[in-house]
Amino acid sequence: EVQLVESGGGLVQPGGSLRLSCTASGFTFSSNWMNWVRQAPGKGLEWVAKIKPDGSEKYYVDSVKGRFTISRDNAKNSLYLEMNSLRAEDTALYHCARLSAGYWGQGALVTVSS
Amino acid sequence: DIVMTQTPLSLSVTPGQPASISCKSSQSLLQSDGKTYLYWYLQKPGQPPQVLIYEVSNRLSGVPDRFSGSGSGTDFTLKISRVEAEDVGVYYCMQSTQIPNTFGQGTRLEIK
Repeated sequence: EVQLVESGGGLVQPGGSLRLSCTASGFTFSSNWMNWVRQAPGKGLEWVAKIKPDGSEKYYVDSVKGRFTISRDNAKNSLYLEMNSLRAEDTALYHCARLSAGYWGQGALVTVSS
Repeated sequence: DIVMTQTPLSLSVTPGQPASISCKSSQSLLQSDGKTYLYWYLQKPGQPPQVLIYEVSNRLSGVPDRFSGSGSGTDFTLKISRVEAEDVGVYYCMQSTQIPNTFGQGTRLEIK
């Protein structure tokens, strides 16, 4: 059974930092592109970032470039999202996802507020 | 960025009746490899999205055959031949032909 389990969400002040983690199981993590997708409360879906299987290529939506960093550790079947200089508009449920196969985690809630 | 525009934004359908959702992209989704990376997702209340259709018209394993996808270039359609109560939720189209991946605004389907 495929599982993607996110952790690391929480309440952070504007300008603060947070690191999300996602642990994958049930498929060959090291062979697949992985993504972070977020959903603000009551809003639609927004793709945030993606990373190549070997970690050599990374892509971001413009609104997070220079602030967020996606990374992975294939030995640990884990995906990460380092988020710095957080803003109120980054408040959302962040999902780890293998989009091509339709695998999504339940998400980690990030709330940016003073 | 490719803009994905869905219509309608909401649907109210009697069980057993058909439903159709349109998704138009601001640029062709045909990639140089010959594939068109257009997906349809359903997000049921309180759940992460689940993929229904990949690459325009391919149903993921386990998806009922009442769901079908069609289209090409910039115009795509998701059809439900006979809506059931379990189909309620928000439907999204998504393209991954070009980075950044982009989603449509979502179409909320409710049962009459």
